[in-house]
Amino acid sequence: EAQVTQNPRYLITVTGKKLTVTCSQNMNHEYMSWYRQDPGLGLRQIYYSMNVEVTDKGDVPEGYKVSRKEKRNFPLILESPSPNQTSLYFCASSRLENTGELFFGEGSRLTVL
Amino acid sequence: SQQGEEDPQALSIQEGENATMNCSYKTSINNLQWYRQNSGRGLVHLILIRSNEREKHSGRLRVTLDTSKKSSSLLITASRAADTASYFCATDGRGGSEKLVFGKGTKLTVNP
Repeated sequence: EAQVTQNPRYLITVTGKKLTVTCSQNMNHEYMSWYRQDPGLGLRQIYYSMNVEVTDKGDVPEGYKVSRKEKRNFPLILESPSPNQTSLYFCASSRLENTGELFFGEGSRLTVL
Repeated sequence: SQQGEEDPQALSIQEGENATMNCSYKTSINNLQWYRQNSGRGLVHLILIRSNEREKHSGRLRVTLDTSKKSSSLLITASRAADTASYFCATDGRGGSEKLVFGKGTKLTVNP
C-alpha cells in the first residue's frame, strides 16, 4: 500500500530536549516536504527536498533541520525544541514529474512544555 | 505570505444540500489543487485544475477556476455527513509545485 509514514504520532517533550520526527515514503517519490499546522494559520511549509542530498527552506524553517540521505526518508530534527514549536506536523511526498499532487502522512502531534 | 485564502471559514449545511467553497489567490499559477482533511488527519488530494482549464469534475465534486479573478470554487453536490471535513486549496504560484502554498481552509459540517 502506498503510504507516507510518520513517527511518532504523538509526543510530549520538554524545552531543549532534541527530538527527531521520522518520515518515510514507499512510492519512490523524489519530492518530500514538511508542514506544520496551527489553528488560524493553516499549513506552513518548513523545509522541502527535491531529491537525495537536496534540501531547501520553506516559509518557517527557524528552529528545524532536515536531512535527505536516502530517497525514502526525510527526518525533521528539532535540536532544541521550544514551546512555540508545539504543533501538528505533516510530512508529504510527490513525484516531481507529476503536477505536484501531494501524499500526506497522518501527522505528528508535538507538545513542547 | 499566504497565497490561497478560502471563504467561508466555516460552513454548516444539511445532508443532501450542495456546499460551495471559494479560494482566492494573489499571483499567477500553473495549477490549483483542492485537498480534504478529516479532523486531525493527513490531507487527501481531491482534484487538480490547470491554469488553462475552467472547470473540472470528479464524482460529486466540481471545481471552477477563473484566472482573471484569481479565484476558484469547489462545489460538493448532494452532500453527505461523511463529507464533514476541512477543505484546503493549494497553489503553486511562487515558482513551482515544490513550494505549494495552502490556504487556511474551510471547515464544512454536514448535518444528518
